[in-house]
Amino acid sequence: DTAVSQTPKYLVTQMGNDKSIKCEQNLGHDTMYWYKQDSKKFLKIMFSYNNKELIINETVPNRFSPKSPDKAHLNLHINSLELGDSAVYFCASSRDSFYEQYFGPGTRLTVT
Amino acid sequence: QKEVEQDPGPLSVPEGAIVSLNCTYSNSAFQYFMWYRQYSRKGPELLMYTYSSGNKEDGRFTAQVDKSSKYISLFIRDSQPSDSATYLCAMDAGNQFYFGTGTSLTVIP
Repeated sequence: DTAVSQTPKYLVTQMGNDKSIKCEQNLGHDTMYWYKQDSKKFLKIMFSYNNKELIINETVPNRFSPKSPDKAHLNLHINSLELGDSAVYFCASSRDSFYEQYFGPGTRLTVT
Repeated sequence: QKEVEQDPGPLSVPEGAIVSLNCTYSNSAFQYFMWYRQYSRKGPELLMYTYSSGNKEDGRFTAQVDKSSKYISLFIRDSQPSDSATYLCAMDAGNQFYFGTGTSLTVIP
């Protein structure tokens, strides 16, 4: 059973396009996150949702918009993709704390 | 200055060695300290977490926190080739959550 799943696993697209990454968790957790991991493996939190409400919104371009239709799903929509958006994006979830997070397998985004 | 500093390595040790991985931090508000392991092309997985200062042991892994020095460590005893991965420290102070850059470890059979 997959705990945190993401689709797609790989995404190759051109500059200027709009794309979405989907995340689902079947752990019954209340909080979900989006992270960006750059080529140097630095993992930075972008957003956090608790029960469908935004609780962390780090300084990211407003081209990135998270959407949470229910507490088991947190999707990431990216408008007007740029070369610098190329990275691995991880979704994660936790029950009621930041310190015990479960990560998805990642989505490798390449912008050409 | 970054919130969390971690030596990226790479670190290469023979099988059976004791491995020491470390992070330093600047924010005294951090209360929870975590270690994650990330295999190549996979998501990070939580190894263990510690609240405040002290030691915590789980099998071959021991996490140590020294809040007075703002220094945390992860020790791996009897290291195995399957321990080869990137190890990331992470710290939490309520709504502030930061990862270190990760240390790449290779255990040579």
